[in-house]
Order: sequence, then structure tokens, then C-alpha cells
Amino acid sequence: DQQVKQNSPSLSVQEGRISILNCDYTNSMFDYFLWYKKYPAEGPTFLISISSIKDKNEDGRFTVFLNKSAKHLSLHIVPSQPGDSAVYFCAASAIGSQGNLIFGKGTKLSVKP
Amino acid sequence: NAGVTQTPKFQVLKTGQSMTLQCAQDMNHNSMYWYRQDPGMGLRLIYYSASEGTTDKGEVPNGYNVSRLNKREFSLRLESAAPSQTSVYFCASSATKNTEAFFGQGTRLTVV
Repeated sequence: DQQVKQNSPSLSVQEGRISILNCDYTNSMFDYFLWYKKYPAEGPTFLISISSIKDKNEDGRFTVFLNKSAKHLSLHIVPSQPGDSAVYFCAASAIGSQGNLIFGKGTKLSVKP
Repeated sequence: NAGVTQTPKFQVLKTGQSMTLQCAQDMNHNSMYWYRQDPGMGLRLIYYSASEGTTDKGEVPNGYNVSRLNKREFSLRLESAAPSQTSVYFCASSATKNTEAFFGQGTRLTVV
């Protein structure tokens, strides 16, 4: 059973608009959440993270929101740029783990000029 | 600024052959990981090593073995490759829990 779910396989947005990528999780022991970006033929690169003691974290154009009661997090990209086109993975690690990350299946974002 | 380096980048094996995927990191990280990525499946953890001298199974360990040779290096071995092991393999490392993991560029393995 999937513990981290990204229910939208793809998302298309216009350049300059907001991109919102969503992620749901089922394991209440998760205490740290991350977003990774992946281009074809490259390894995932870290974007932004959030601890379960917070509900928001910002880094430039990227903001992650965490709603613990709903077991939901989202990544907002404002404004979206064509270079943001990539696959975005949501990941989480659990209390007591050794930092092992559980990944969602990813959402492919396409930003059109 | 190498980060996490994986070799080889591409490999084709015949069913039953063996091979070792190499991974090294130069960030003095304690933890290292091996993931595989299959179409539509995200990344799944094969094995991990929380510190030098320790290794543990992840979600999909069957058919693989690992060695944490020293703090820098963490290798993944396929003793008898099967077509189901055709995948892209990523090595990663992190300093501690609740810090980001850094990934290598991946090894694309095809088993025919």
C-alpha cells in the first residue's frame, strides 16, 4: 500500500502562473517531508523540505505547505518558468527511521511559454 | 564538487550474469542508500547503510546484496541478474536523518 501518494501524474501550466503540486500521505509517523525535482537522465535534486512541526516553508519561488490533520502537503511554484518543467517527487521519512525516504510516484510538470 | 558518483552509467547484462554497481560520495555523509526507479513506480529503496559497517534492507531487497566498504563507498551487487531487475538505479547519501539526501546521476541497467 502506498504511503506517499501523488495522484496527478501530470500538470500543465502557463509561464508566469502558479503551479500547485499535491501530495498525500498515510503514515502518521512521518516527521519530515521533501520535494525533489528530476530532469530526464539525471538524478533527483533536492528542492525544499519541511519538518512536521511547521506548516509552511519558503525558498524563493518555492513554498511547501503542510496540513498534518489532512495528511496533505503541497508545493507552490510562483511564478512558473519553462525551466521548471520536470518530474516532481514528494518524499517523506518517519520518526525512528535512519533517514530512509519514501517517495511518491511523481508528477510531471510542463510549463508552457 | 563531485557529490555522489555512480559507475557505470549504462550496462547491459544477460540473464544470470553478475555485476556490481559502485557508488562513492565525498561529502563525509554517514548514511547511504540505493534506490531503483521503474516507470510509474517512483523511487523504491533497495538497501541502506546508516553508518559505516551497517547495512539494512529496504522495500525491495530481493536479488541484491550491498557492501559499505568504508564511509565513502557503498556498492550494490546483483549476483544473478534477472529481466525484472531492468531499471534505473540511484545511489544517494545524507548527513543525518531529517536532512536532504543527495543523489547520483543514476545507472541505467538492462537485463536481457
